Amino acid sequence: DTGVSQDPRHKITKRGQNVTFRCDPISEHNRLYWYRQTLGQGPEFLTYFQNEAQLEKSRLLSDRFSAERPKGSFSTLEIQRTEQGDSAMYLCASSSPNSGDGDTQYFGPGTRLTVL
Amino acid sequence: GQQVMQIPQYQHVQEGEDFTTYCNSSTTLSNIQWYKQRPGGHPVFLIQLVKSGEVKKQKRLTFQFGEAKKNSSLHITATQTTDVGTYFCADENSGGSNYKLTFGKGTLLTVNP
Repeated sequence: DTGVSQDPRHKITKRGQNVTFRCDPISEHNRLYWYRQTLGQGPEFLTYFQNEAQLEKSRLLSDRFSAERPKGSFSTLEIQRTEQGDSAMYLCASSSPNSGDGDTQYFGPGTRLTVL
Repeated sequence: GQQVMQIPQYQHVQEGEDFTTYCNSSTTLSNIQWYKQRPGGHPVFLIQLVKSGEVKKQKRLTFQFGEAKKNSSLHITATQTTDVGTYFCADENSGGSNYKLTFGKGTLLTVNP
């Protein structure tokens, strides 16, 4: 258990519905990342927060995707009007430059999204 | 953009055999991190290599960073069934405010007992 938690662990939805995922990072970590992983691929970077500021977004993050980290602690990732191509594992990771472990990113268990 | 290639894509070995996965980039890597993902699990950090030519060991695992910082390898001696999983290398873009990881596609290791 790395300390990063994600909810829900699994989500099945119909095409066109909106979904929201939550990530709770390790408590002292100020950096939070979202990645997406499909079968047979490595995780792909989506977006990155330092505290509450969203500092980078990948081109993979279309305008249907939005992420927030309002108080610099937990984060949410929302996908609007889901498409079948959104089916993937959504991974959250957190890190801290002050943790003494070289700003290592610790991953949560992921939310597996299936869009029917 | 930055691409990290890993070979082989799959490797099946008998328990006790050695295993090596290779990571290559056409551009200089900032640093290399290695992760292991068990089937159905999430990536778990193994190690980070920063210096050119660096070699680090963790029990039966040996990690190397190339002299030109364009390649890296992970070698497992005498594999065990607990080594099963996908091994990913990842480059960290440690510039400015960007700390994203760029992962390779991984090498899936299966071990026959």
